[in-house]
Amino acid sequence: AQSVTQLGSHVSVSEGALVLLRCNYSSSVPPYLFWYVQYPNQGLQLLLKYTSAATLVKGINGFEAEFKKSETSFHLTKPSAHMSDAAEYFCAVSARGSARQLTFGSGTQLTVLP
Amino acid sequence: ETGVTQSPTHLIKTRGQQVTLRCSSQSGHNTVSWYQQALGQGPQFIFQYYREEENGRGNFPPRFSGLQFPNYSSELNVNALELDDSALYLCASSPPGLAGGSTDTQYFGPGTRLTVL
Repeated sequence: AQSVTQLGSHVSVSEGALVLLRCNYSSSVPPYLFWYVQYPNQGLQLLLKYTSAATLVKGINGFEAEFKKSETSFHLTKPSAHMSDAAEYFCAVSARGSARQLTFGSGTQLTVLP
Repeated sequence: ETGVTQSPTHLIKTRGQQVTLRCSSQSGHNTVSWYQQALGQGPQFIFQYYREEENGRGNFPPRFSGLQFPNYSSELNVNALELDDSALYLCASSPPGLAGGSTDTQYFGPGTRLTVL
């Protein structure tokens, strides 16, 4: 069974500050890991994914995440927050199998303060 | 390129009724997955369809059923609606893999907001 824990349901940062959203996973086999962003009243947009040996993954809009197997973590970072980054962020895990269902965390609401 | 589309965008039903939600996959995608997102929560996997057959199911009762059509579009049917079925229903599609099957990445539609009164 797989699970995802996102620490901090709400995170506030000032515009221009570092964004750090935490994600820890539990999986019995090496997983695939994803970060999605959801703007109000919209679906999910893929930010980035980890599916290979490259542990530092770069995504869209300046976001990146590092896969750390020893810490079972996949934290999302962005060096400088922008007002447009305000949204809900979901970390998700899937097994390397045929069904590839995504198991999501409960989400982190990011607020960017002017 | 057209992305994943869903219809309707909003729907209001009463307890005990039945509902059908529709999804058109992104062009060329052969796998469709459905998720339920309750307010303030992360999406939960309902089921996945590949080549018109169910290819994995989450912890949802049989009154949640689906179909995938030859053009890879899909329907989600929910019978005997309950108040707790009120949620955003998300459809996601995946492109085919190089060696068959589908790839690992799912692309989501905007969702259908279902309210059960």
